[in-house]
Amino acid sequence: EIVLTQSPGTLSLSPGGRATLSCRASQSVSSTYLAWYQQKPGQAPRLLIYGASNRATGIPDRFSGSGSGTDFTLTISRLEPEDFAVYYCQQFHTSPVTFGQGTKLEIK
Amino acid sequence: QVQLRESGPGLVKPSETLSLTCTVSGGSINSYYWSWIRQSPGKGLEWIGYVYKSGSTNYNPSLQSRVIISVDTSKNQFSLTLSSVTAADTAVYYCGRLYYDSSDSHYFDYWGRGTLVTVSS
Repeated sequence: EIVLTQSPGTLSLSPGGRATLSCRASQSVSSTYLAWYQQKPGQAPRLLIYGASNRATGIPDRFSGSGSGTDFTLTISRLEPEDFAVYYCQQFHTSPVTFGQGTKLEIK
Repeated sequence: QVQLRESGPGLVKPSETLSLTCTVSGGSINSYYWSWIRQSPGKGLEWIGYVYKSGSTNYNPSLQSRVIISVDTSKNQFSLTLSSVTAADTAVYYCGRLYYDSSDSHYFDYWGRGTLVTVSS
């Protein structure tokens, strides 16, 4: 099973700032199979990024994804109030599908 | 716009069987894979498994001995059965569409709102 480790656990930033979230895999993951999700309290996760760097439909261009192999990054530039949430990475390179434990982005 | 909605009992007794159904609207279940994912209170996301229109399945090994996911294409529904439940199975259960595109990317693009299932006597 591929373990995804996200860091930091919690990130405290101010609106207008820049967030950099990390997802490290226990073994190499094809970029094709790496996705990022945003989850707000009481809601289902929402797809942000697929294929490591492709924005899903309707996702603002302040969200960007990058990385390859075992290290992937989600960057949110110019944080908006609605961006404060929990973010998860997910891999489908190898079964079982696994998710990272999440990074909570909170308002400083 | 594809929509998914989970339904089923919100309370299950220990050692009994949890059964949920996901109804898909706005699109056909005859495409892509259909999955169940759960989230224990205050915890992260755990993939349970998925089913294809043919009935073929893939399960998380951690749950495989207790899980059955089935599909009813005539009703545009798929279902989850989890047997011998314990308090550790208390979670919000989500159904989702596992989409794959021409570049072979796989991701969950549509999710239900989730349903809380509590295991308690």
